Amino acid sequence: NAGVTQTPKFRVLKTGQSMTLLCAQDMNHEYMYWYRQDPGMGLRLIHYSVGEGTTAKGEVPDGYNVSRLKKQNFLLGLESAAPSQTSVYFCASSYGGILSYEQYFGPGTRLTVT
Amino acid sequence: SQQGEEDPQALSIQEGENATMNCSYKTSINNLQWYRQNSGRGLVHLILIRSNEREKHSGRLRVTLDTSKKSSSLLITASRAADTASYFCATERLTGANNLFFGTGTRLTVIP
Repeated sequence: NAGVTQTPKFRVLKTGQSMTLLCAQDMNHEYMYWYRQDPGMGLRLIHYSVGEGTTAKGEVPDGYNVSRLKKQNFLLGLESAAPSQTSVYFCASSYGGILSYEQYFGPGTRLTVT
Repeated sequence: SQQGEEDPQALSIQEGENATMNCSYKTSINNLQWYRQNSGRGLVHLILIRSNEREKHSGRLRVTLDTSKKSSSLLITASRAADTASYFCATERLTGANNLFFGTGTRLTVIP
């Protein structure tokens, strides 16, 4: 099993450009999450999904959109990138449900917006 | 907003010593989890402690939870150089969706 994979690993964007980050998991998890990690800030939740076809806002959703068309994939889109979106982005997945489970993280995507 | 704060922000110890990291949080929780992050990598889950538990062990890890003080501690015994990493506590609030709120992390350096 590959676990959680993220594409691409690195990307440099100019202000105003758009891009999509892809997250894929092969563990049949229901829940998927997108976080950003900035120096000294820990991880902050951008958007999440509790199942195929569903999405919801997290702590810092502004400037991002997401889609979960297939259970195994969770896409994060930046429509018009800004320097403030320079960060490391992590995708995670979990079984979800009434009981709490740990989250499995991908290796991250380092995004720089100039 | 960050839910948790880890203390200390950085910790440097000799191999074989014990390392203790603390986490404080602000709201009522379902559970608290600890994660580890090696430099440049994703987070790896270490241990989950539920709100009705007070202590949990996993190998060289011991986690305590005091819900009255809204605090938790992670103890790593007999540390190894390979334990060098950042450690994050994450709380799951009562609001559902298993969302986690992460602290700012403790950077642990174990000197061989």
